[in-house]
This record gives sequence, structure tokens and C-alpha cells, in this order.
Amino acid sequence: AQTVTQSQPEMSVQEAETVTLSCTYDTSESDYYLFWYKQPPSRQMILVIRQEAYKQQNATENRFSVNFQKAAKSFSLKISDSQLGDAAMYFCAYRSPGRAGKSTFGDGTTLTVKP
Amino acid sequence: GAGVSQSPSNKVTEKGKDVELRCDPISGHTALYWYRQSLGQGLEFLIYFQGNSAPDKSGLPSDRFSAERTGGSVSTLTIQRTQQEDSAVYLCASSLGLAGVQDTQYFGPGTRLTVL
Repeated sequence: AQTVTQSQPEMSVQEAETVTLSCTYDTSESDYYLFWYKQPPSRQMILVIRQEAYKQQNATENRFSVNFQKAAKSFSLKISDSQLGDAAMYFCAYRSPGRAGKSTFGDGTTLTVKP
Repeated sequence: GAGVSQSPSNKVTEKGKDVELRCDPISGHTALYWYRQSLGQGLEFLIYFQGNSAPDKSGLPSDRFSAERTGGSVSTLTIQRTQQEDSAVYLCASSLGLAGVQDTQYFGPGTRLTVL
């Protein structure tokens, strides 16, 4: 079974600075999808970024980018120019194309942004 | 609606009672998912629907949990004879489909269930 590990329960960053959240996963599959979700105090999970394993290029979405290292099974999220609104819990998730509908989530990292 | 909606947003019930949680997916989304999130933890997959069919029920914690979806739209998660360990936030998500970029899941705000 696939597992997703987020080794940083809590992180903090100064406003306008850069922070990197780590995520590692365990799988024997070669094709899969990886996601980062943000969950603010409102509880609503919001998709931040998506990466297909077959793509070598790292996905980016504005201030959010990933460092996808397939061989190392690592999928870190970099937030540049951090803003107060980035404060939330961030979840890394894995989904296998062969297991339609079922995503495996990490335990999350709580990000605090200091003004 | 514009997004996934869930009701109620909060539910407090007594141990042993039955509860029903409702999810309205984004219009046109064929796939619907239920997750459970215990305090301070990640998401635990419960069940998903493709149309009205639930191909994989293996994530349901016990036979006290059931879910249905009608008309390819609204879904109801029912918990019978609730126990205190059922207390959690129950999240629903929907996606356009199950393949490729169509499987991007959009989440509702969740229902916080508290069993006294």
C-alpha cells in the first residue's frame, strides 16, 4: 500500500520569505499523481498544485512550486513571498491511476506566517 | 451551486443515535468522495461514487457506516448507532471524472460531527 509522510508537523515563516514543506511517499508504481492541498481554518480543502509522475518538469502555480524527485520519492512544496493568507494546514496526497477515486493523504503540516 | 456544499456544517448527537450527512457536489461532476478527518490528522478515505455506483466500499470503518448517491448528484453518508470515536470532520469532494486531469477533487467545507 502507498504511504505518504510529512515529517514536519509545524513550520513557520516570516512574511515575504520562502518556505519549503517536505513530503515523501512510498510506492512501487511508476505512474501516479501527487497533490498539495491547503486547508485554512475554514476547513475547506483547496488544491494548490498537481504533479503527474511522468512529467519531469516541476509544476508551478504562481508563488507555489514543487521539487519533484521521482527517484527519491520526494515531493516538496515551495512557497515564495509568503503571505499571511498562506497560513493553513498543508496536505500532500498521492493517487494511483489504477486505484480510481482513492487518494492517500499525509498527516499535514501546519504553516504559520509571521507578520 | 458554484462549489461543493455539505450540510449540516456542525452536528452534535448522543451516543447510539443515527446521523445523516449530506453532500451536494458541483453540477456535472460524476465522481463523489467521502473522507473522514480526525482532529489534527490527515484524511481517511471512506468511499467514492462513480455516478450512483460505489465500486470501492473498503474504506468504510464498520457496517454502521453506509452511503448512497441518487440521481448522480446528492450523496448521503449515514452513521448508525454513533460512537464517540465517530467524532470527526467528514469531508466530501467531487470531480469531473476519474481519469487524467478530470480527477482533480474539489472539497466541501465539511461537517463536524460530535458524539457525546
